[in-house]
Amino acid sequence: QVQLQESGPGLVKPSETLSLTCTVSGYSISSAYYWGWIRQPPGKGLEWIGSVYHTGTTDYNPSLRIRLSMSLDTSKNQFSLKLTSVTATDSAVYFCARVLATVRAFDIWGQGTMVTVSS
Amino acid sequence: SYVLTQPPSVSVAPGKTARISCGGNDIESKSVHWYQQKPGQAPVLVIYYDRDRPSGIPARISGSNSGNTATLTVSRVEAGDEADYYCQVWDSTSDHMVFGGGTKLTVL
Repeated sequence: QVQLQESGPGLVKPSETLSLTCTVSGYSISSAYYWGWIRQPPGKGLEWIGSVYHTGTTDYNPSLRIRLSMSLDTSKNQFSLKLTSVTATDSAVYFCARVLATVRAFDIWGQGTMVTVSS
Repeated sequence: SYVLTQPPSVSVAPGKTARISCGGNDIESKSVHWYQQKPGQAPVLVIYYDRDRPSGIPARISGSNSGNTATLTVSRVEAGDEADYYCQVWDSTSDHMVFGGGTKLTVL
């Protein structure tokens, strides 16, 4: 079955760049679907970060757009997230997920990875 | 940007019916999706496209969407239904996805 797994540093210093990778197994990310990132600060709700289509087209949350980039690495069956100039407010559990293209629902999620921004 | 409004909490006795609302301007024109999240776990899609259930989701969980309110209904509530529930839509005019603030369902 399709599985997603996030990976990356658990601690990032303020003003630096947060980089995460989502490895997909059981499905080729170049075949179809959108692939997305969602985050959840401790004790708070879900926030959509952005999505990347299997063709490489991206959609970003406007509140993060200026600091955000997402990409696909089809050779490794991975997609990635880079968020620049982080602050403590970027501390959160970051989830990657598969997105149903026609209705934009997140149907399969990774387990999530906690990222703390602190010096 | 499009805003979704959920009540912070809903409480229900076991065996009763819980209804969780998700309000948004003309939400009936959008496809609404619902997620269940238990503590320390990733969210799980329980309803998509207003009322469709993914494989493995019990028929006790249903959805509806009309006017400015979408509703998630959990019938014959069990202790295992206690969780946070989030609604989500895709705002096609801006091509952005939006989550509601979440509702904590407590089983009394």
